[in-house]
Amino acid sequence: QSAPTQPASVSGSPGQSITISCTGTSSTFGPYNYVSWYQQHPGTAPKLIIYDVSNRPSGVSDRFSGSKSGNTASLTISGLQAEDEADYYCSSYTGRSPLWVFGGGTKLTVL
Amino acid sequence: EVQLVQSGAEVKKPGEFLKISCQGSGYNFPNYWIAWVRQAPGKGLEWMGIMFPANSETRYSPSFQGQVTMSADKSINTAYLQWSSLKASDTAMYYCARRVTSGDLGGEFDYWGQGTLVTVSS
Repeated sequence: QSAPTQPASVSGSPGQSITISCTGTSSTFGPYNYVSWYQQHPGTAPKLIIYDVSNRPSGVSDRFSGSKSGNTASLTISGLQAEDEADYYCSSYTGRSPLWVFGGGTKLTVL
Repeated sequence: EVQLVQSGAEVKKPGEFLKISCQGSGYNFPNYWIAWVRQAPGKGLEWMGIMFPANSETRYSPSFQGQVTMSADKSINTAYLQWSSLKASDTAMYYCARRVTSGDLGGEFDYWGQGTLVTVSS
């Protein structure tokens, strides 16, 4: 079971929108929509920002949105802010072993 | 307030035993699965496995099966991750995380511990 593929890095200017892709196979995502996204600032624990493909936990800015088409999930951040600079990881429940997988992570730089 | 508090950083030698902990509070600890996630220095997140404290049911990633043991003491709301013989390649930050789901399958990890840094060096 290989990890979903994410771009190593993306960048954008304040106010712009960026999208981070998370590409897997049919076995990565299974027949499910259990894709989640995590934000990790340096030296801190990951934070859940999107679950079940497109849902936001309470308290997460609506500038964060998620979607999925086929075997690619995407995280879009609109109105980029300096505080968005972090690493972002997708995760998927596979329904087989291993039950969950993480993408390789994407470093977002706000120019 | 839900919290997962992990034990402190460890420095060990290859071949040594280690057990780290993750104590939950603010919720019904036994009834939520706890996952363990490894992050090697400068690397990404790796899902190691998950256990259900109420009955100690465990699911390991094939990459970690036989390399670590997950356990829990529900009487003190604490989950554990242990190694019987550490290797230098076990050097990493280890996070525990609570799994939440609306059904029996799937879910995501909504609360995370602060991490335990394990350094294995001779």
